[in-house]
Amino acid sequence: GQSLEQPSEVTAVEGAIVQINCTYQTSGFYGLSWYQQHDGGAPTFLSYNGLDGLEETGRFSSFLSRSDSYGYLLLQELQMKDSASYFCAYNTGFQKLVFGTGTRLLVSP
Amino acid sequence: DAGVIQSPRHEVTEMGQEVTLRCKPISGHDYLFWYRQTMMRGLELLIYFNNNVPIDDSGMPEDRFSAKMPNASFSTLKIQPSEPRDSAVYFCASSNLAPGSYNEQFFGPGTRLTVL
Repeated sequence: GQSLEQPSEVTAVEGAIVQINCTYQTSGFYGLSWYQQHDGGAPTFLSYNGLDGLEETGRFSSFLSRSDSYGYLLLQELQMKDSASYFCAYNTGFQKLVFGTGTRLLVSP
Repeated sequence: DAGVIQSPRHEVTEMGQEVTLRCKPISGHDYLFWYRQTMMRGLELLIYFNNNVPIDDSGMPEDRFSAKMPNASFSTLKIQPSEPRDSAVYFCASSNLAPGSYNEQFFGPGTRLTVL
């Protein structure tokens, strides 16, 4: 079947580094995306990994290992505004995304 | 660009009533997606269109749900009759396929539907 697993909640303090892991199981895989969603808001795109390795975008980085069916989102220099839910999603091709259940990140002062 | 536009932002209706949600994608985007988000089931893809043609409606929960895209700038998701379990936030998203690249999906603000 198709599934993604993420931790339900992660807590950290301002200025720290946090890693959100995502494991997936699917028969068709074209890449792993990450989206951020603040409470009451819409999901917004953060990062995409089509190939193995690390992608860096400012304070955020994302990693993919296809052989391990595993990826992670790394957030550095955490800020209060980073408190949100983070979703990994895999692309099954033809633009279709399957989302994980999300990880709620709580950043405290 | 104004981004993806959805209306209404909030809808409260009674069980058995027809509900129509509307979406205007970003101009020039050729993919349009309808998602439903609940605490229990997370973010689920209901249906998506490419160039106004439905490509995959396997996520549509049952015959009470229908979606149309009569032109490139407008889509509707209709629930008839509505039931309390349909209460959720419904998101519309759009994207633009460029050859050889991944294209992020841009989400609208969502419609929060409550069926009493």
